[in-house]
Amino acid sequence: EAQVTQNPRYLITVTGKKLTVTCSQNMNHEYMSWYRQDPGLGLRQIYYSMNVEVTDKGDVPEGYKVSRKEKRNFPLILESPSPNQTSLYFCASSSGGMGETQYFGPGTRLLVL
Amino acid sequence: AQTVTQSQPEMSVQEAETVTLSCTYDTSESNYYLFWYKQPPSRQMILVIRQEAYKQQNATENRFSVNFQKAAKSFSLKISDSQLGDTAMYFCAFMKPLPNFGNEKLTFGTGTRLTIIP
Repeated sequence: EAQVTQNPRYLITVTGKKLTVTCSQNMNHEYMSWYRQDPGLGLRQIYYSMNVEVTDKGDVPEGYKVSRKEKRNFPLILESPSPNQTSLYFCASSSGGMGETQYFGPGTRLLVL
Repeated sequence: AQTVTQSQPEMSVQEAETVTLSCTYDTSESNYYLFWYKQPPSRQMILVIRQEAYKQQNATENRFSVNFQKAAKSFSLKISDSQLGDTAMYFCAFMKPLPNFGNEKLTFGTGTRLTIIP
């Protein structure tokens, strides 16, 4: 089954404790992206990757890091989480063709205390 | 920068009725793509419908159709014969393709929470 998976699905942590949210897709997609969803703001892009070793900032990259060492994986790293990073996070992927649909993972709900 | 506006934070309609969700966007581009995504209580983001700006014909997917008015920069979603399973948050999204690569980020509206009443 074609899918985007994220782990963990739910996470409660404390300020300053480094964490990683994993994202994996099995569709051989070139393009992957991270979004965060906050009430009243919709979804906003954090980082994206056009291919292995190629990443770039989205609209709200502060406080986040990413890496793309393999085509299928695109982890999101919070080096020192803060309460304002409490949010619902989505990973998405697409084939990268012009206007191609992005397929979303199930989301990761993060609470930073 | 592109912006997407959904002016209806919440809507409700009786089961089997038709409902229209509005979306407007602002762009100077001539070639772009528009999407409606559905987010049910499970929080999963599900593609409902996709529209290519250079196509005059409005996209349809079963009970879902759009009214795309390019000059007015309007992209409304019509749900016919609404069902209880249509209860969800609906997001309108805009994508401007990059010339050399193909894909750029989705710019989302703030969403419309739709409730179907039995």
